Amino acid sequence: SQQGEEDPQALSIQEGENATMNCSYKTSINNLQWYRQNSGRGLVHLILIRSNEREKHSGRLRVTLDTSKKSSSLLITASRAADTASYFCATDAVDSNYQLIWGAGTKLIIKP
Amino acid sequence: EAEVAQSPRYKITEKSQAVAFWCDPISGHATLYWYRQILGQGPELLVQFQDESVVDDSQLPKDRFSAERLKGVDSTLKIQPAELGDSAMYLCASSRSGNYNEQFFGPGTRLTVL
Repeated sequence: SQQGEEDPQALSIQEGENATMNCSYKTSINNLQWYRQNSGRGLVHLILIRSNEREKHSGRLRVTLDTSKKSSSLLITASRAADTASYFCATDAVDSNYQLIWGAGTKLIIKP
Repeated sequence: EAEVAQSPRYKITEKSQAVAFWCDPISGHATLYWYRQILGQGPELLVQFQDESVVDDSQLPKDRFSAERLKGVDSTLKIQPAELGDSAMYLCASSRSGNYNEQFFGPGTRLTVL
């Protein structure tokens, strides 16, 4: 079963613009993670935010977490062609035995 | 940089045949996961190992799928017999134990069942 739902399903923007993706989930979590998957490649971890954190930055990435709304957002600033990929949120639910439950992903296309 | 290794990268088989996938996690990672990913969807957990023990295989179709991690290091996922609906990407991931459970993924095995 999938706990996370990303929104939008697909996003196409011009290079240099910012991209925002959202994730909603259903149960209480220990942490929420964002991963990127390029075409034909495996998943790569981007950033982890714990349930007691509200915002986290890593380079051009900014993640927010609102546990009261059970939602998170991923902002990619100054997008580049290499950011073209699918982005997944994954939640580590409380009492989950360190399992991650994944959303269906947002497909991001950066146009040159 | 240490990586998760998987083989083969691609496998084409006919239905009713047996297939096997291999995964070698990052050294020292006690937890190993096998996922199935259908195109356009997120990964779905099939089985989770902690060292050589199965922690969760509730989503593994046990009538045809089996997984083992005999020495707590590398792992094999087997399908016998393969069905058309098994066509998917099979991903292996590993992580350190504990609350910090960033998962490191291998490149996956793309299975096509004809």
